[in-house]
Amino acid sequence: DIQMTQSPSTLSASVGDRVTITCRASQSISSSLAWYQQKPGKAPKLLIYKASTLQSGVPSRFSGSASGTDFTLTISSLQPDDFATYYCQQYNSYWTFGQGTKVEIK
Amino acid sequence: EVQLVESGGDLVQPGGSLRLSCAASGFTFGNYWMIWVRQAPGKGLEWMANIKPDGSEKYYVDSVRGRFTVSRDNARSSLHLQMNSLRAEDTAVYYCARGLSSAHYFDYWGQGTLVTVSS
Repeated sequence: DIQMTQSPSTLSASVGDRVTITCRASQSISSSLAWYQQKPGKAPKLLIYKASTLQSGVPSRFSGSASGTDFTLTISSLQPDDFATYYCQQYNSYWTFGQGTKVEIK
Repeated sequence: EVQLVESGGDLVQPGGSLRLSCAASGFTFGNYWMIWVRQAPGKGLEWMANIKPDGSEKYYVDSVRGRFTVSRDNARSSLHLQMNSLRAEDTAVYYCARGLSSAHYFDYWGQGTLVTVSS
């Protein structure tokens, strides 16, 4: 089974900060990675797929990148609406989510 | 507008059964893979099961294979999850979602339905 490890588990940041979340796959998954945002009591929202393709309607301050088995979600300038939990998900072999990264107000 | 509405969540005793449903609207249901994902209280997301548009292929996470069965009724635009031999660790909010690119990633999600397994 492919394991996905996100870091950090919690991130404290301020509005306007550049934020980076990392997800590491336990083996090669090519670019088969998606990122989701989830707010408390709400369903997840697809942000990025194929490691770096922005889902329609998602603000351009969100971006994704990949290097080997390491994947990164970057928020270029954190907005009040961005405080949430973020999950990566691999779909190269079955489907696995990372454990999540909570972005909280500093 | 794409909508997914789950129902059927309830309090059930360990060893019991429950059937969840997901009513879809706003898109051609029979053209899409559909997925079940769950989230235990205060925990992360866990993929449960996928079903191909025509129902001919189904995939399950190891922890539910043999106990849960995913099915669909394309004529009624509905997705179902039959859950048997329920355990306390099955307690979670269950989401249905629509799959893109052969269910690789999930672009629309329902609001979820809570299943509580407890005596």
